[in-house]
Amino acid sequence: GENVEQHPSTLSVQEGDSAVIKCTYSDSASNYFPWYKQELGKRPQLIIDIRSNVGEKKDQRIAVTLNKTAKHFSLHITETQPEDSAVYFCAASKGSNYQLIWGAGTKLIIKP
Amino acid sequence: NAGVTQTPKFRVLKTGQSMTLLCAQDMNHEYMYWYRQDPGMGLRLIHYSVGEGTTAKGEVPDGYNVSRLKKQNFLLGLESAAPSQTSVYFCASQGQGNSYEQYFGPGTRLTVT
Repeated sequence: GENVEQHPSTLSVQEGDSAVIKCTYSDSASNYFPWYKQELGKRPQLIIDIRSNVGEKKDQRIAVTLNKTAKHFSLHITETQPEDSAVYFCAASKGSNYQLIWGAGTKLIIKP
Repeated sequence: NAGVTQTPKFRVLKTGQSMTLLCAQDMNHEYMYWYRQDPGMGLRLIHYSVGEGTTAKGEVPDGYNVSRLKKQNFLLGLESAAPSQTSVYFCASQGQGNSYEQYFGPGTRLTVT
């Protein structure tokens, strides 16, 4: 079955710098790749997603890139701010039942 | 709209006890999911439903049962709780159509002693 690996498990960056989180997936049939943000004690919330027919997608300070050949996708956050501190999860899915397989998460720490 | 709600928010069980977690959504979503979240392991799918009256197993279904008698509700049951089921449980829902976004409830923190 599908397996999603996420790196790093913890990322500490200076406020204003960029952060990059990477995920790899194993099933070449996967075609949907969302990123969720979970603040401490809160529920996960979708921040951006990409489908396999697109290589890159941007939304203000966040972007996601997808390399189908290498089977990996990345989350890029520019000009990081204190409110970006959270755990970020990647996931992958295929088919019509929308089952998501999740990465283990990355704790992003923004240093003032 | 309340979105996705879960009851209870917290619960402590003794080994062998049973309980039911309730998830309710008011967005008329077809798809509903139950996940468990353990430290360092992300979210793992327990069971899911693609419509009223239907359920299916996810990655980690053992020890859990579910029912979807009404479209807006998805119940997760633990028949005989074990310490390994100590976790935070999240319910999520998703509509049909072009958006695949899953909307999560606030979670239930369950401790089994």
